[in-house]
Amino acid sequence: QKEVEQDPGPLSVPEGAIVSLNCTYSNSAFQYFMWYRQYSRKGPELLMYTYSSGNKEDGRFTAQVDKSSKYISLFIRDSQPSDSATYLCAMSPFANSGGSNYKLTFGKGTLLTVNP
Amino acid sequence: KAGVTQTPRYLIKTRGQQVTLSCSPISGHRSVSWYQQTPGQGLQFLFEYFSETQRNKGNFPGRFSGRQFSNSRSEMNVSTLELGDSALYLCASSLEGTGVNEQFFGPGTRLTVL
Repeated sequence: QKEVEQDPGPLSVPEGAIVSLNCTYSNSAFQYFMWYRQYSRKGPELLMYTYSSGNKEDGRFTAQVDKSSKYISLFIRDSQPSDSATYLCAMSPFANSGGSNYKLTFGKGTLLTVNP
Repeated sequence: KAGVTQTPRYLIKTRGQQVTLSCSPISGHRSVSWYQQTPGQGLQFLFEYFSETQRNKGNFPGRFSGRQFSNSRSEMNVSTLELGDSALYLCASSLEGTGVNEQFFGPGTRLTVL
């Protein structure tokens, strides 16, 4: 079983739809949960991060973490064509690279297309 | 402020050759991490360098190596290339400090092994 599982999609939605992206994980040591967005031919960029369980909202984006279920979600409200990209979840036991054995463990990414 | 730069952007090599990829982090960032991205395995951590020392290493064979220079620029080397090494190699830099250190990624080097 891979440490992080993410449905690769592809996911195609009409403009204005609510999008739900999800990841499950198996490593109980993960404490920090991140969502990255990667446009074609670009490197990933950090969208949001959360610590432990709970919700975090930033504009049209909401990240949720349920540690009891080892399940994280990213919701995009009022989706726009510019949101079309691959979304990657990532996790780490530590906040920063100063921690021992620090590394980000990524899901494989979900390809999202928002149609105008 | 300039972002993370990687050179070259595209590279074609043949099996058995070796290759060196370069990464210049954001000014002031001292931590540099390398990742391999493939359609089958996704993004996988290779190694991380800080102040010219390898601090963390992923599960890759010894053919993959790296180094960091005093100006924080980093290189990674892959020797005896195999077809399976074809991938997008991403470099990320981060600023040491409190809280969550955001990793800023470069555009990557697309390596094709024939």
